[in-house]
Amino acid sequence: GEDVEQSLFLSVREGDSSVINCTYTDSSSTYLYWYKQEPGAGLQLLTYIFSNMDMKQDQRLTVLLNKKDKHLSLRIADTQTGDSAIYFCAVKAGANNLFFGTGTRLTVIP
Amino acid sequence: NAGVTQTPKFQVLKTGQSMTLQCAQDMNHNSMYWYRQDPGMGLRLIYYSASEGTTDKGEVPNGYNVSRLNKREFSLRLESAAPSQTSVYFCASTGTGVYNEQFFGPGTRLTVL
Repeated sequence: GEDVEQSLFLSVREGDSSVINCTYTDSSSTYLYWYKQEPGAGLQLLTYIFSNMDMKQDQRLTVLLNKKDKHLSLRIADTQTGDSAIYFCAVKAGANNLFFGTGTRLTVIP
Repeated sequence: NAGVTQTPKFQVLKTGQSMTLQCAQDMNHNSMYWYRQDPGMGLRLIYYSASEGTTDKGEVPNGYNVSRLNKREFSLRLESAAPSQTSVYFCASTGTGVYNEQFFGPGTRLTVL
């Protein structure tokens, strides 16, 4: 199966930018996703990018995809305390299945 | 729309006991999934069902069985619970949209003593 890796923790100060990184192994992946999980809740889709795109911007969120290096990143501009959560990178491989990273716990320091 | 619902929210079992986790979706989705989430390991797929009447093993199926009762419902059964099955279990579903977003339920936190 696909290996998807993320660092486990990230701390930033309120107002700064956060960058969460992800690497994957399957170059045939079609869609790549970022999910957010708040405490005690399920995962919610934040954004996605198709494999033929390099960048996608959606308000405070910027997704960068480097297909050559199999590297995906999520940048959150002007990070707020409400952004504190676990962020999962997920990669679609095959018809149905998603492979998830370990999740990065983002802590925003006021 | 309630989206994806799961019951129960919490459960404590003794080793060897059995239980069924229930999942239902009201989005008319074809595909449904069961994941477990363990600290530092992300989400791992237990079983999935691409359509009503079909089920397939995922990455970690041992110790579990599933039933796709109808298009709405997908249940996960632990026949003889073990402490290694202590985890948070998530059900998800996906339709046939352009980017195949998976919608997740709120999770069931299971502890096996």
